[in-house]
Order: sequence, then structure tokens, then C-alpha cells
Amino acid sequence: ETGVTQTPRHLVMGMTNKKSLKCEQHLGHNAMYWYKQSAKKPLELMFVYNFKEQTENNSVPSRFSPECPNSSHLFLHLHTLQPEDSALYLCASSQLAGGRDGELFFGEGSRLTVL
Amino acid sequence: AQSVTQPDIHITVSEGASLELRCNYSYGATPYLFWYVQSPGQGLQLLLKYFSGDTLVQGIKGFEAEFKRSQSSFNLRKPSVHWSDAAEYFCAVGATGNQFYFGTGTSLTVIP
Repeated sequence: ETGVTQTPRHLVMGMTNKKSLKCEQHLGHNAMYWYKQSAKKPLELMFVYNFKEQTENNSVPSRFSPECPNSSHLFLHLHTLQPEDSALYLCASSQLAGGRDGELFFGEGSRLTVL
Repeated sequence: AQSVTQPDIHITVSEGASLELRCNYSYGATPYLFWYVQSPGQGLQLLLKYFSGDTLVQGIKGFEAEFKRSQSSFNLRKPSVHWSDAAEYFCAVGATGNQFYFGTGTSLTVIP
């Protein structure tokens, strides 16, 4: 098993659809993250979970809804998205939640296209 | 405010030539610094990191980076580039709390 696995790798959805992105980490880490990567922009931190508790919500619109049932799994539920939400969504994990406690391990991303 | 600047959006080098990618950061305390690489359609992979100690750090794939506090820089270098090094490179600083600040990336093209 690779360290951080994301499914699906590609997703196309209409603005009225509801879909979910899934992330699973096999590293025994305690913190998980969702990042949004758009072309020519810095990675945007969306959410952070530390020991299953949400510790960061970076002013993300409510059409994005995270869920962390345990320290190994992270979901991003999507509904009524906009075309500008099209991006690569990256999941990451770290041993502890904090930029000064270790590095991030990333999944391969889920490429989302909103029509 | 914390920030990371990668002044070069795109760099082209010949295979076998040396490489230096620039990174400047703004952070009030001693920074934790990272370089990541992203191949097309892939996630980010850690190349190397600096937390403390020797300011010249070695990473995977023959990369190294040097932390220069006086210049607020953490430039990435490789003495001889291979075609497989073509990718997007991201510099990041780790801050207190749950924050990692990333630069906008430098796209590397390697020509034969």
C-alpha cells in the first residue's frame, strides 16, 4: 500500500451533483489535510484534522464539507460546486498537525472538473 | 506575514547542466524549510528539509539545498540535471500551528 491514497483520481461533475473525494493514509499519522491546487497559485490549505478533530477551516465555502471518521481516513464531500472549483485536490498527512513538527506526505490528488 | 517566493516561474536547462532553483521566505522565527517535487498528474514528493543544524542539506535524487539566514533563502541545487528531473518544484516553510506556506512553484524543463 502506498502511503497516502486518493480516490477517485479524476472526477467530472455538474454543478448540481453531489460527490465525495476519499483519502486514506497507511503511515500511522495523526493529522490529515486537504489542499486545493490551482494553476499558478500557491497551494491553498482547506482543512486540517488532528486526531480526528478539525483544527483548521481556512474560510472554505460550505459547498465543501470534510469528514474524518478516524485518523486514517478523510473525505471531502462536494455539492453545488462552481466551475471555479475545478482544481487538483490534494490530501496529505503528517505525524502531528503543525508545520514545525514534520513534513507533509501527499497523495497523488483528485483532479476535479466542474461543468 | 509568512510567505514564500519562488521568483522563477519557469526554467529550462540542458541535460547534464547544473541547476539552481531560488526560494526566499518571510518568517519571523527560525524557519522549517522544505522542497517538494511534483511530476505531472502526481502529488508532491519531499526532496529535502531543513529544521536545524548544518545549513547544507542533502536530499533524494542528488538534490541539495542551502539555508542562508542572512538572505532569507533556501535555494535548491543539483550539479547535473537528468531528463527525469523535469517537473514542478515547490518550496515551503513550516510555521507554528497547522500551517505550511508554499511558493507558487518553478516549472523545470530539461532539454536533451
